[in-house]
Amino acid sequence: NAGVTQTPKFRVLKTGQSMTLLCAQDMNHEYMYWYRQDPGMGLRLIHYSVGEGTTAKGEVPDGYNVSRLKKQNFLLGLESAAPSQTSVYFCASGDRGLPNQPQHFGDGTRLSIL
Amino acid sequence: DAKTTQPPSMDCAEGRAANLPCNHSTISGNEYVYWYRQIHSQGPQYIIHGLKNNETNEMASLIITEDRKSSTLILPHATLRDTAVYYCIVRDDRGSTLGRLYFGRGTQLTVWP
Repeated sequence: NAGVTQTPKFRVLKTGQSMTLLCAQDMNHEYMYWYRQDPGMGLRLIHYSVGEGTTAKGEVPDGYNVSRLKKQNFLLGLESAAPSQTSVYFCASGDRGLPNQPQHFGDGTRLSIL
Repeated sequence: DAKTTQPPSMDCAEGRAANLPCNHSTISGNEYVYWYRQIHSQGPQYIIHGLKNNETNEMASLIITEDRKSSTLILPHATLRDTAVYYCIVRDDRGSTLGRLYFGRGTQLTVWP
């Protein structure tokens, strides 16, 4: 029972490089979310998706793009990485039509931009 | 914006009950109160949620005041493994937020032997 799986777990990039973070869930959830967490802070929403083929901006979307080509996967892309994007990134998923049900989180991707 | 207020830190002796308070004075009628915790370096873990009645599960109990402006998470017999940051979240249902969670800074609970 994997739940929400994030890859990679760690990555170091140089400024200006690009990369994609992958989130996969096996619970058939409609909703998926990408958050970032900086030291001493709570999580902040970057982008989210309410279903396959749809995405929307969260609180801090600048510098990121996302895609939801398959229901089970939600990709977060950094086109030109900047040191300010050094953070821990968490993916979460949740059930459609059940707004009072909890979100399930992955264990995070730790990203450092040099 | 986070809609809750929590103390930044608390501690508790192992085996005793840990009572974590949360203020959410602007909560609206259809908003649920959620509690998550985050153990160092891991993803947030769901604990419990409620609307207006008290709730209990295998992890914790949630006590919500009658006016719903505050709540308390109770870990009945805290263990060292309960040391974590605990987040109280009021889920915002306005517009198209669709289950988005607004995290504040939470309460760092330290359980000591």
